[in-house]
Amino acid sequence: AQRVTQPEKLLSVFKGAPVELKCNYSYSGSPELFWYVQYSRQRLQLLLRHISRESIKGFTADLNKGETSFHLKKPFAQEEDSAMYYCAPGRGKFQFGAGTQVVVTP
Amino acid sequence: DTEVTQTPKHLVMGMTNKKSLKCEQHMGHRAMYWYKQKAKKPPELMFVYSYEKLSINESVPSRFSPECPNSSLLNLHLHALQPEDSALYLCASSQDPLVWGSEQYFGPGTRLTVT
Repeated sequence: AQRVTQPEKLLSVFKGAPVELKCNYSYSGSPELFWYVQYSRQRLQLLLRHISRESIKGFTADLNKGETSFHLKKPFAQEEDSAMYYCAPGRGKFQFGAGTQVVVTP
Repeated sequence: DTEVTQTPKHLVMGMTNKKSLKCEQHMGHRAMYWYKQKAKKPPELMFVYSYEKLSINESVPSRFSPECPNSSLLNLHLHALQPEDSALYLCASSQDPLVWGSEQYFGPGTRLTVT
């Protein structure tokens, strides 16, 4: 089945350490992919879109068609990065990844 | 206005009640969505309206009935729900869902408890 896969349910990192959240996809062609974030008691919100190739809150994500991946990276994690992160497709596909809970400890 | 609003924030209803959830956006988006989210789980798509027409129904039980009165409003009518329907119900909107740039904007959700 076509889907996105997030293999890690939980990532626990120390403040200042690098963090990488994995997302793999199985869609053919040119998928559109997003990272969404859900902070505690806040609404689900867009973090990054792959077509923009931008850096938001220090996070970047590159689409790697060879590895069918769209991993989210930040070189130095901050405590305010603690949240649930979802990888999700666009362009007519709506199944979110299972999500990765990130906990950043001081 | 770049927000999606949802009312009510919380809803407690019995299994014989009829209630409605409401969602509104004024970003000119032409697609609106209902999702169900259980604790620590990803949102699960229920319905998609595109250009005010129901385009996707993810085999949702008929006790959930969506309605899109116009391009800015989306309702979810609830009737004879079961306790397992208790969840956070999220509304979202986007540009045309089939084109590039279809990121979704989410409302804060309605926390539904069925007793």
